[in-house]
Amino acid sequence: AQKVTQAQTEISVVEKEDVTLDCVYETRDTTYYLFWYKQPPSGELVFLIRRNSFDEQNEISGRYSWNFQKSTSSFNFTITASQVVDSAVYFCALSEGYSSASKIIFGSGTRLSIRP
Amino acid sequence: ETGVTQTPRHLVMGMTNKKSLKCEQHLGHNAMYWYKQSAKKPLELMFVYNFKEQTENNSVPSRFSPECPNSSHLFLHLHTLQPEDSALYLCASSEEPGSSYNEQFFGPGTRLTVL
Repeated sequence: AQKVTQAQTEISVVEKEDVTLDCVYETRDTTYYLFWYKQPPSGELVFLIRRNSFDEQNEISGRYSWNFQKSTSSFNFTITASQVVDSAVYFCALSEGYSSASKIIFGSGTRLSIRP
Repeated sequence: ETGVTQTPRHLVMGMTNKKSLKCEQHLGHNAMYWYKQSAKKPLELMFVYNFKEQTENNSVPSRFSPECPNSSHLFLHLHTLQPEDSALYLCASSEEPGSSYNEQFFGPGTRLTVL
């Protein structure tokens, strides 16, 4: 069965600190996709990144970076030099192979608070 | 309008009321979804529609009744709800049904309170 675990319920750091959000997943498929979404106070989830199971290259986008390691089934997200606007709930998600529905399984989310 | 819109943004209803939530996507997508987000719980997928046809009902109680008249519109009809149904209801859409590759685009949600 597929499962996504975000063990950190809440994280609070001071602005400009680096912060890493952990994500561990379980799947029996060899083909799968991992996602990160951001949910600001306004409510809608905003897509941040997608990574397929065959691409283990780490990715950097501005202050955001993602570390995908199949050996540990982890897909961690790091924000460098955090800013107050980064405060949100962040969700890691997993989608397996091909099915009749595009189903994404979400983790329980990590609430990130950046203090000025 | 762009992206995925939802109305109303906030709704308070009694247990005997009947109300509907509306979702509209302006992205030309073919799949639409309803999710429930309760406090301290993961996002729960409720329904999936592909090309207007329901392809997933995740054991949702019958007091929630979805309707998808076309690929751009999705409704969630509510009747005789319980207080534990109070939650944020999120609508999403994706480009291609059946493809795990496609990310989903979410609306801002409807905050529902059942008294």
